Amino acid sequence: KNEVEQSPQNLTAQEGEFITINCSYSVGISALHWLQQHPGGGIVSLFMLSSGKKKHGRLIATINIQEKHSSLHITASHPRDSAVYICAVEPGAQKLVFGQGTRLTINP
Amino acid sequence: NAGVTQTPKFQVLKTGQSMTLQCAQDMNHEYMSWYRQDPGMGLRLIHYSVGAGITDQGEVPNGYNVSRSTTEDFPLRLLSAAPSQTSVYFCASTQFRSFQNTEAFFGQGTRLTVV
Repeated sequence: KNEVEQSPQNLTAQEGEFITINCSYSVGISALHWLQQHPGGGIVSLFMLSSGKKKHGRLIATINIQEKHSSLHITASHPRDSAVYICAVEPGAQKLVFGQGTRLTINP
Repeated sequence: NAGVTQTPKFQVLKTGQSMTLQCAQDMNHEYMSWYRQDPGMGLRLIHYSVGAGITDQGEVPNGYNVSRSTTEDFPLRLLSAAPSQTSVYFCASTQFRSFQNTEAFFGQGTRLTVV
């Protein structure tokens, strides 16, 4: 079993829908990252969080440390949100462990 | 991604050929790493370095070499390419800090095909 599991692996939705991507992990962590990877492009950091909730524009990330679970929400989704979203955790010792990614497609 | 320059973006190799993927950062980060990304799998760590002159193996190091002669540069060498090394490769430069303040920057990726 992977230390970091994301669900769903693929998600297709219509423009305007509310999107939720989930990340569960099995190890103790100091922080969790949400990353975005556009087709043919590099990887950029969206959020880093260790507790509670963070919001940036239409993106919201939450984390529940006790349940070892994080969610990434996108409100009023748009085709430009289509990308692979990656969850990564810091289990300490200068290390990042990545989930397998969630491929999101938003249709107009 | 400002700060991490990774080249080339695409490469096709024949089995047995060697090549070097270049990675440079200008943020003075101590920690640099190479990952490969394969379908259905998360990014897997190949090699990493915690500073100039120091490198170590990650999860999937076989068939790859690295060196870190300067803080800025961390090249990845494929010694004798194999079809199993067909993948997308990412270089990352990371500043791990206390108080959940880690900064991680990634290169644009290299799509490598070994035929």
